[in-house]
Amino acid sequence: DTAVSQTPKYLVTQMGNDKSIKCEQNLGHDTMYWYKQDSKKFLKIMFSYNNKELIINETVPNRFSPKSPDKAHLNLHINSLELGDSAVYFCASSHVPLGISEQYFGPGTRLTVT
Amino acid sequence: DAKTTQPPSMDCAEGRAANLPCNHSTISGNEYVYWYRQIHSQGPQYIIHGLKNNETNEMASLIITEDRKSSTLILPHATLRDTAVYYCIVRVRAAGNKLTFGGGTRVLVKP
Repeated sequence: DTAVSQTPKYLVTQMGNDKSIKCEQNLGHDTMYWYKQDSKKFLKIMFSYNNKELIINETVPNRFSPKSPDKAHLNLHINSLELGDSAVYFCASSHVPLGISEQYFGPGTRLTVT
Repeated sequence: DAKTTQPPSMDCAEGRAANLPCNHSTISGNEYVYWYRQIHSQGPQYIIHGLKNNETNEMASLIITEDRKSSTLILPHATLRDTAVYYCIVRVRAAGNKLTFGGGTRVLVKP
C-alpha cells in the first residue's frame, strides 16, 4: 500500500483556472506538509498542518489554500493559476510536529500552467 | 536553521563505498543532521539522522565529527539505484519540523 499518495500525478491547465491537488497518507501521522520544487529543483516548504490545524505558512500567496478535512488528508487548492505556479508539488507527512521524526514524501504532482 | 555546504556532484563506482561530505560549521547544539535523497522524478526519501553519535541503519552510516561542524554520509556498497541527489539538512526541533533543502550533491553511480 502506498504510504503517501497524491492525485493527480500530472496536471496541465491554463492561466486563470482554479485547480486542486489531493494528498492522503495511511501512516497514521498527525502532521502533513506541502512542498514546492521549482524548475531549478529547489524544494521549499509551503504549508504544514498538525491535526487539521495550520502550523506553518511560508509566505505563500493567498491564491494557495490548503484544506485538511481530517488528519489523513491535506489538499491544496490554487486559485487564478499563474505561469510561475508551474512546478512539482510534493506532499509529506510525519508523526510529531515539533519532533525529529522523518518525513515521508508522496510521488509528486507535476503542475504545468500554460 | 544552520546552512549546509555540499559538493554539487560526485561520481562513484558501483559496489564501492560512497562518502558524501557535508559542512555545517554554524550548527547549534540542539540541531540534528538529517540526510534525504531524491531519485529522479520521485519524492525525497529519508535516509538517516543524528545529533552527536555516529548512526547506522540498513541504508547508510552517518559519521558526525566531534565538533559537529561536519558530517559524512556513507553508502557502503553503492548500486546504480543509489544515483540521486543527496541532501544534508540541519534542523532545530522547535522549527516546526520543516525541512529546508539546499542544492544537495548529485551522485552518479557508474558501472
